[in-house]
Amino acid sequence: RKEVEQDPGPFNVPEGATVAFNCTYSNSASQSFFWYRQDCRKEPKLLMSVYSSGNEDGRFTAQLNRASQYISLLIRDSKLSDSATYLCVVIKGQGAQKLVFGQGTRLTINP
Amino acid sequence: NAGVTQTPKFQVLKTGQSMTLQCAQDMNHEYMSWYRQDPGMGLRLIHYSVGAGITDQGEVPNGYNVSRSTTEDFPLRLLSAAPSQTSVYFCASRGGGANYGYTFGSGTRLTVV
Repeated sequence: RKEVEQDPGPFNVPEGATVAFNCTYSNSASQSFFWYRQDCRKEPKLLMSVYSSGNEDGRFTAQLNRASQYISLLIRDSKLSDSATYLCVVIKGQGAQKLVFGQGTRLTINP
Repeated sequence: NAGVTQTPKFQVLKTGQSMTLQCAQDMNHEYMSWYRQDPGMGLRLIHYSVGAGITDQGEVPNGYNVSRSTTEDFPLRLLSAAPSQTSVYFCASRGGGANYGYTFGSGTRLTVV
């Protein structure tokens, strides 16, 4: 079983739709959680950290459920520019230095 | 403030050759890491460093060496290139607390023939 699992998609949704991504992680000692986005042939870029209390940044909302070892990302009012691959990322290890990536969920927003 | 700078952007090597991928950051970050990204495999940790003079192995360290003589630089050395090392390599750095994410360089696309 992979340490971090995501639905690879692809997700194809119309502009303006709400889309949700889910992610599960297997290591209960995981310490920090993030969502990254990666555009084609580019580097991953931090989208947002994920906190236990849930957090929101504009159209993006992230949730963490430690008991179920589950992370989610909700994108409201999707834009064409949201088209990318979304990576669920977990940090584990001493000093919280080891990033473990999910395989990513590919999202395409259609006009 | 350039962030994380990787060189070269593209490289073709012959099997058995050695080379060094350069990574530099100007954010005074303590933590730096090297990842490789392969289709269907996602990003995997090769080596990481928690400060100058301190390095450790990640998930896929075989065939690679690192050193961290300064805070700014974290080069990755391929000892004897193999076709299995054809990949995209990303360097990343982080400062601050555990909820601060890593900043990635733009990557090096390496082909070993």
